[in-house]
Amino acid sequence: DIQMTQSPSSLSASVGDRVTITCRASQPIDTYLNWYQQKPGKAPHLLIYAASSLQSGVPSRFSGSGSGTDFTLTITSLQPEDFATYYCQQNFMTSWTFGQGTKVE
Amino acid sequence: EVQLVESGGGLVQPGGSLRLSCAASGFTVTDNYMTWVRQAPGRGLECVSLLYSGGTTSYADSVKGRFTISRDTSKNTVYLQMNSLRVEDTAMYYCARPSSWYNFYYLDVWGKGTTVTVSS
Repeated sequence: DIQMTQSPSSLSASVGDRVTITCRASQPIDTYLNWYQQKPGKAPHLLIYAASSLQSGVPSRFSGSGSGTDFTLTITSLQPEDFATYYCQQNFMTSWTFGQGTKVE
Repeated sequence: EVQLVESGGGLVQPGGSLRLSCAASGFTVTDNYMTWVRQAPGRGLECVSLLYSGGTTSYADSVKGRFTISRDTSKNTVYLQMNSLRVEDTAMYYCARPSSWYNFYYLDVWGKGTTVTVSS
């Protein structure tokens, strides 16, 4: 299986901050990388697919970049509703695997 | 409206079995991939099973040989049969529908989940 490693595991930020989360794959995955947001007690919510494509309805302050093994999720100006846990997920090979999550608090 | 509703979770003893159901509306399960993703308490996400539109299946190593994913076209429902359950299978189980853009797949529709607790 392809291992996905996110960093940091958690971060402390304030409203208005620029936040960057990284995700590294154990082998090259081209741009087969998605990002999800999860709030407590809720199912994950898709933010970014194919590394950099913004899902419909997701605010433009969210962006993704990267290819190969290194990827980044950026929130340009953190809003109160963005405090959550973020996961990357590869779909290059089955079984699809997720990173361990990054909690933004 | 596209929707997934899971059911069938509960408390079961180690070694026992459960069958989870995922009722879909707004789309046809046979035209799509379908997947089950679980999340142990306080932990991350794990894709445990994938059902391709053609009927092929895929499983995480952690559940291979114990779990079986299937679908009923007449009920537009996907199932996860879980046998030989272990304490470490305790989790919230989500049903999710992958969509695709070219060969890129992403989970854009999720159910609310059903809780499975394996304990004696």
